Amino acid sequence: GQNIDQPTEMTATEGAIVQINCTYQTSGFNGLFWYQQHAGEAPTFLSYNVLDGLEEKGRFSSFLSRSKGYSYLLLKELQMKDSASYLCAPMDSNYQLIWGAGTKLIIKP
Amino acid sequence: GAVVSQHPSWVICKSGTSVKIECRSLDFQATTMFWYRQFPKQSLMLMATSNEGSKATYEQGVEKDKFLINHASLTLSTLTVTSAHPEDSSFYICSASKGEPYEQYFGPGTRLTVT
Repeated sequence: GQNIDQPTEMTATEGAIVQINCTYQTSGFNGLFWYQQHAGEAPTFLSYNVLDGLEEKGRFSSFLSRSKGYSYLLLKELQMKDSASYLCAPMDSNYQLIWGAGTKLIIKP
Repeated sequence: GAVVSQHPSWVICKSGTSVKIECRSLDFQATTMFWYRQFPKQSLMLMATSNEGSKATYEQGVEKDKFLINHASLTLSTLTVTSAHPEDSSFYICSASKGEPYEQYFGPGTRLTVT
């Protein structure tokens, strides 16, 4: 079956760094997306990885290891507005995104 | 670029009535559009996938006669919730893809409340 595993909730301090891990199992693989979703809003795109390695985009970086079925999202210089849910969504062989419940990130002053 | 709009952003309707939600890609042609439903504190649940000019593909457990999807053009898809019941109250979100790498661009969502 298809499965995504992320921590349910994480807490971090403003200005710090946090890493959100994601392990996945899919039928085929066509890359992995990370989305951010604020409460009551639709998801917004953060990053896309299809090859192994680290993709850096400003304060956010995303890493992928296809052989391990593993990805992480790294957020640096945390700001209060980063409080949101972060969704790891791998794409299967049918180009369908597989969604888990995401990780709720709470930022404290 | 890649902006998706949804209308209305929220709607309240009476049980038994039908509600239509529109999803538009404003600055690109969407090869595929997706409809999701999300209950509070739960993950996104894909309801159906639609391509312009063809019938939508519904996920298992989603009633196609209740959730009517029309994808009339490359920039417009509509979801009609027919004979709505209170249990249909949810956050409905559409997304659109313009092809490889098949990133989905999300609309702002429509909050439906059935009384």
